[in-house]
Order: sequence, then C-alpha cells, then structure tokens
Amino acid sequence: EAGVTQFPSHSVIEKGQTVTLRCDPISGHDNLYWYRRVMGKEIKFLLHFVKESKQDESGMPNNRFLAERTGGTYSTLKVQPAELEDSGVYFCASSQGARSVVQYFGPGTRLTVT
Amino acid sequence: AQSVTQPDIHITVSEGASLELRCNYSYGATPYLFWYVQSPGQGLQLLLKYFSGDTLVQGIKGFEAEFKRSQSSFNLRKPSVHWSDAAEYFCAVARNSGGYQKVTFGTGTKLQVIP
Repeated sequence: EAGVTQFPSHSVIEKGQTVTLRCDPISGHDNLYWYRRVMGKEIKFLLHFVKESKQDESGMPNNRFLAERTGGTYSTLKVQPAELEDSGVYFCASSQGARSVVQYFGPGTRLTVT
Repeated sequence: AQSVTQPDIHITVSEGASLELRCNYSYGATPYLFWYVQSPGQGLQLLLKYFSGDTLVQGIKGFEAEFKRSQSSFNLRKPSVHWSDAAEYFCAVARNSGGYQKVTFGTGTKLQVIP
C-alpha cells in the first residue's frame, strides 16, 4: 500500500510568487492534515480536512494560504503571494476515520522563499 | 491548551551507548502520546504510541518509552544506539477536538551518533 506522497519535494521561489503544494493521502483515508515546520521550531498544525470539507483551519497563518481537497482525494495548499516567513517544511498527513488517532505522514515539501 | 516540551535540542551519543530523549507534556486529561522519527530526506515515521494500559510501551527499531503521569513525561529510550538511529525525534500529544484528534508536537531533538 502506498504511503502519503507529497509534491514537489523542494521548491525555491521568489517573494511575491505563487506556489502550490500537493498531497496525496493514503487511499481510503478520510482525514487529511497539513502541518508546517519553520526552521528550528515545532511542527505546527495548519488545517484538517474530513473528506472534502474543512474540519478545522484554525492553524492557517493568514489569507495568503488556500487549501483545497478536490473530491475528498488529494489536497493542494497554495501560497499566494509568498513571503520570506513562509519558508519551511510543509508536511501532509492522513488518517482513516473519525476515531483514528494515528496519523501517517508524508516526506514533506521544503519551501524556500528568497 | 496542550503543549509538548523537548528540552534537548541536540544530543550526541556513541554507537552502542544507551539513549534517553526527554519529553514533557501539558494536558488536562489522559493524553495520547507519540514518538515520531524523521531520518534525513524521509517523512515522519511513527516509533511508538501510548493510549492506555501498560505504561511501558515498545516500539519499532528497539525503542521503548515510559509514560509517567506524576511527572507528565514520556521519555524515549534505547539500550544500545546504532549509527542508523541518527535522526530527529519528535514527541507529540493528541487530544480530542470536535470528535477528531488534534496533534501538538515538540520542537524535536536531533540525535547524532558517533563511532
């Protein structure tokens, strides 16, 4: 069974540009989470999808970030326009049902904004 | 609000030596506790988890962790470290939020293993 995959693995963009990160969860997992780790700090929750609906987006830093989950399958996280402080590693995770406690993580996308 | 503290940012141990990584949490109820590991270029891999029951839990790769409620701790241990254990380790706690689990991570501990 394939794990959580993320694309791209690395992205380097200039301040003001737009970047879209993609996450493909484990097949059949209803829950999809986005997290971010800024260098040297903790991994912070951004938002949580249940199927195609946003269950919790309390961690989204501002309205430059837009997350979608088309048809309850893969998800995209768009940053527009990117700022220097958006640099970090963006992780995606998925879990099966509402009572699922264990989340399975992808390898992350390292975003560098110059 | 829940929080997780990993007081050691960086630890260096010799191969074959024992290892203990510290983790303290703050949470009102009995938490779900986890240790994840991130090897270079890899994603976060679950090492072990504690939900209830026996306070000493065994994980993969020879790791174990002990839940101590009185100390609000969940320290990770390994009796003999291998060079391949060099990685970054994250302690995490999950709490119920609207019927789902919301996870809070610590800042991580980087483990360096020297020959």
